[in-house]
Amino acid sequence: DVKVTQSSRYLVKRTGEKVFLECVQDMDHENMFWYRQDPGLGLRLIYFSYDVKMKEKGDIPEGYSVSREKKERFSLILESASTNQTSMYLCASSPRGTDTEAFFGQGTRLTVV
Amino acid sequence: LAKTTQPISMDSYEGQEVNITCSHNNIATNDYITWYQQFPSQGPRFIIQGYKTKVTNEVASLFIPADRKSSTLSLPRVSLSDTAVYYCLVGDGMDSSYKLIFGSGTRLLVRP
Repeated sequence: DVKVTQSSRYLVKRTGEKVFLECVQDMDHENMFWYRQDPGLGLRLIYFSYDVKMKEKGDIPEGYSVSREKKERFSLILESASTNQTSMYLCASSPRGTDTEAFFGQGTRLTVV
Repeated sequence: LAKTTQPISMDSYEGQEVNITCSHNNIATNDYITWYQQFPSQGPRFIIQGYKTKVTNEVASLFIPADRKSSTLSLPRVSLSDTAVYYCLVGDGMDSSYKLIFGSGTRLLVRP
């Protein structure tokens, strides 16, 4: 059974803290993605990676960075968390090729207080 | 990247067939069309993917006309559990810069 696992389901952090959200996939996929989803705004792409150590900005990269040191792991970093980063964060992975079915993790609901 | 346009919302009743159309006028030659379903508090789930004509699986059918400028997701005999948001995406998975960009989606409400 294919799996994308996010390290936490719920997380509460204080303003100014450095926050790490981890995502691991076991499908040997080349592509990995980080999204945030807010009510009324849909899924917005923060960053994606198409290979180890490769990363590209999505639509809303400000305030975030990412790391992909190993193929199976893609980390999202909030350098200094702010209350406007309170959101649901979703990680996904997909293979490179014509079959682009993406698999999503269960999501991390982050609250910054 | 080809932009997609879908209706914001649709209503249906249990047992009816639902057709959701997506417009993608600028689709590129190598782009595939993919549909996802999302329930509240869950990540999107792949439903179906196609390139041209018709594709059918155990969940849905996807109709793509010859010009490929639109596609229609068909859900046969919907039930209450099909209430969800449905997203249409287009893209070329062979391209290393392929991004999974989700539009606003179509919010389907199935009534008893």
